[in-house]
Amino acid sequence: RKEVEQDPGPFNVPEGATVAFNCTYSNSASQSFFWYRQDCRKEPKLLMSVYSSGNEDGRFTAQLNRASQYISLLIRDSKLSDSATYLCVVNRAGTASKLTFGTGTRLQVTL
Amino acid sequence: EPEVTQTPSHQVTQMGQEVILRCVPISNHLYFYWYRQILGQKVEFLVSFYNNEISEKSEIFDDQFSVERPDGSNFTLKIRSTKLEDSAMYFCASTPKNSYNSPLHFGNGTRLTVT
Repeated sequence: RKEVEQDPGPFNVPEGATVAFNCTYSNSASQSFFWYRQDCRKEPKLLMSVYSSGNEDGRFTAQLNRASQYISLLIRDSKLSDSATYLCVVNRAGTASKLTFGTGTRLQVTL
Repeated sequence: EPEVTQTPSHQVTQMGQEVILRCVPISNHLYFYWYRQILGQKVEFLVSFYNNEISEKSEIFDDQFSVERPDGSNFTLKIRSTKLEDSAMYFCASTPKNSYNSPLHFGNGTRLTVT
């Protein structure tokens, strides 16, 4: 089983739609969780950290379910500029520097 | 906002040649990292570096790889004898502290093409 698993997509949605991405991780000792965004051939950029109680940043909402080892990202009112690959990233306890990335979910927002 | 900067943006080299990829971390950061991403694949951890020593490395980071902080600002990744499979984007990152809650902020990457 992969350490971090994501549906690769692509998810094709119209502007204004709500879209959700899911991610599962295999290591129950994982301590911190992030969503990164990556544009084609660019560096990953931090979108948001994911907290146990769930958190929201504008149109983006992240949820964590430790019991099911599951993370989600919800994007409301999608914009064309949201088109990118969304990377689920996990950090195990005791390996503060060693982020484990999923392969990413590709989102294409269309007119 | 301070940034991690990497040079060159694109490096083409022949198989068997040595390459040095350069990174300037954010100035007050103490922990430095290299990651790589082969085209179409996920981002993978290579190595972390603190206090002039490697603190952790992956199985990818074999004897062909080395890292160095030659002066107070640069952080370099050297590949001694490049192979075709070393072709990838290489990302540098830095953090002020080694906390699992500190997300990494990556540089813009160096695309390495080995021919």
